[in-house]
Amino acid sequence: GAVVSQHPSRVICKSGTSVKIECRSLDFQATTMFWYRQFPKKSLMLMATSNEGSKATYEQGVEKDKFLINHASLTLSTLTVTSAHPEDSSFYICSARQGRPVSPEKLFFGSGTQLSVL
Amino acid sequence: DQQVKQNSPSLSVQEGRISILNCDYTNSMFDYFLWYKKYPAEGPTFLISISSIKDKNEDGRFTVFLNKSAKHLSLHIVPSQPGDSAVYFCAARESGNTPLVFGKGTRLSVIA
Repeated sequence: GAVVSQHPSRVICKSGTSVKIECRSLDFQATTMFWYRQFPKKSLMLMATSNEGSKATYEQGVEKDKFLINHASLTLSTLTVTSAHPEDSSFYICSARQGRPVSPEKLFFGSGTQLSVL
Repeated sequence: DQQVKQNSPSLSVQEGRISILNCDYTNSMFDYFLWYKKYPAEGPTFLISISSIKDKNEDGRFTVFLNKSAKHLSLHIVPSQPGDSAVYFCAARESGNTPLVFGKGTRLSVIA
C-alpha cells in the first residue's frame, strides 16, 4: 500500500516552545491530508483538513492560530503546535488521501507523533 | 458526544478461536463503516469496510457484520492468529465527502 511518513515519532519540549510535525506521502500525490489527535483512552479526533495550496479547514474547537497547518506541496503537510502547553500533550497523527473521488480505503496514515510538553 | 463507541478497551483470545470486536454508533446518517488495524509505532491501516446497504462483508478470515436497526457492527476474525494482536479502530462516515469518525479502539491480544 501507499506510504505516509510522519516525523518526528516522539518529541518532548518545554512549555512555550513551538513544535513542527511533518507528514509526507512518499509514493503518491495527496491533494488532501488530515490531522488527528488522540488523547489517552479517547478516540482519534479530526483536528483539521489540509488541502494543497489552500487554507486548512479546522474542526470546531480547534484553534487555528495555535495549530498552524501548511500544505505547500502535493506530498507534504506540516502541523506546527505554537506556544505548546502541557495540555497539548497528545498523540498527533496525519493521514493522506489518495486519488479522487473519495474512497475511505484510500486513506493512509502516518505512524504518529507523541508530543509531551513539560 | 461520541458518535462511534468501542466499549471494550481490550480483548484476549486464544489462538485459533474467534475474535469478536464490537462497535456501536449513534448517528443514523452514517452509511459507510470501516475497520482499521494499528500495530505499535505504526499508523492505522485499512482492514475491511461495509456499506449500509449490506449486512455482511467477508474478506478471508475477517468478516464485518452490520445491524442497522441496532446501530451496531462487529468484526469477526476466525481463526485468530498471534499476528492479529493489534489495536482495532472502528470508523464511520456519512455519505459524500465527509470525514471519518473513529472509535477509541480495542486492543486485541491473541495468545498462542
